This record gives sequence, C-alpha cells and structure tokens, in this order.
Amino acid sequence: GESVGLHLPTLSVQEGDNSIINCAYSNSASDYFIWYKQESGKGPQFIIDIRSNMDKRQGQRVTVLLNKTVKHLSLQIAATQPGDSAVYFCAENHNQGGKLIFGQGTELSVKP
Amino acid sequence: DTAVSQTPKYLVTQMGNDKSIKCEQNLGHDTMYWYKQDSKKFLKIMFSYNNKELIINETVPNRFSPKSPDKAHLNLHINSLELGDSAVYFCASSFTGGGYGYTFGSGTRLTVV
Repeated sequence: GESVGLHLPTLSVQEGDNSIINCAYSNSASDYFIWYKQESGKGPQFIIDIRSNMDKRQGQRVTVLLNKTVKHLSLQIAATQPGDSAVYFCAENHNQGGKLIFGQGTELSVKP
Repeated sequence: DTAVSQTPKYLVTQMGNDKSIKCEQNLGHDTMYWYKQDSKKFLKIMFSYNNKELIINETVPNRFSPKSPDKAHLNLHINSLELGDSAVYFCASSFTGGGYGYTFGSGTRLTVV
C-alpha cells in the first residue's frame, strides 16, 4: 500500500549531539519531499524540503539528504536542543492534486 | 497573522450526533485539504479542494462531507458520529499541486463518546 515509512519510532539524544532521522519512501515517481515537525497539541510545522533533482539541502541546523537509488530520505539536526523534542514526519508529494503521503513519524526526545 | 486557522480546537460529542469543523486560510492558496491523524499519530489525507472543486476523496465514508464556499474556506461536516471517528483532524492549504508553503492548521481534537 501507500506508505512512507521505515523509522525508529523513538529516538533519544543528548543535548548538543547531532540527530539523524530516517525515512524510506515507496513511490519512485515522487518529486518533492518535506520534513515536518509536530509538537504536542500543534499541527505539523514545515522544517525543510527537497526536490528530487537534488541530493542534499541545508537549512539552519538542519540538513535533508535524498538518496533516490534506495528511496531513502534523512533529516539531520545539528546540536540538538530541548526545543527540538517533537515528532518528525517525512512526507512525499505524489503529484496527485497536492496529496502528501506521510510516514509514521519518529518521536525525538532530547535529554539535558 | 498569516495562517491556516480551524475551529473548534476541541470537540467532545456523543455518538450519533452531527458536527462541523471550520477552516480558513489567508495565505492566498488555492488548494485546501483535510487530514486525519489517528491515535498512533499516522496522518492520512481525506479530501482536497482546488478553487472550490473537489479533487481528492480518499474513500472516506459519506458521513463526511466537505464544503468549500470559496477558496479560502473548507469546512468538514460529519454526520452520525461514531466512536472510530475520534481523532485529530487537520486542515491544510497550498498552491495547486502542493509544494513549498504547504501549511497545516493546529488541529481539531474530536472525541466521540
């Protein structure tokens, strides 16, 4: 079925360490991918995106890597902070009316 | 503030009732969506509207009826609520085709008792 998945349901890191959250996607035709952060009681918040013609994109403390060969996406967070604690979702755009297919999500906990 | 806003934030109701959730966006987007997030945090699209026209209907029971009076509003009406409808419902908006700027509202937690 449709899915963007393969994840660690929970990830615990020490404050100041780097975090890596992984995601696999299923549709090789997807051309746009987004990482979202969802804090408790809030909606998904855009973090960073990447188009399929790119392998890497960097933002402020975050980097997204795309490996189209193995259909794998990762989110790297540098110098993880307590405020980064949240559930992180990857999503792929199937080009079907703007429909996003979401992965199951990874809960990131940052230990002080 | 530019945003996607939905009301109410919380909704507790009895089985069999009919309820509505409202959504408005002031981002100038022409496409709006409803997503459902279950207890395991899984997010799945339900509907999308582009310029008031239904584009996506993901085999959602016909007890769920979206209505888009204009491209800035997309409401969700649910008839004969069931226990299994309990979830968090998110409205979202974007420009046609999705892409950069795809923005979610803060969610409506629906509890059916």
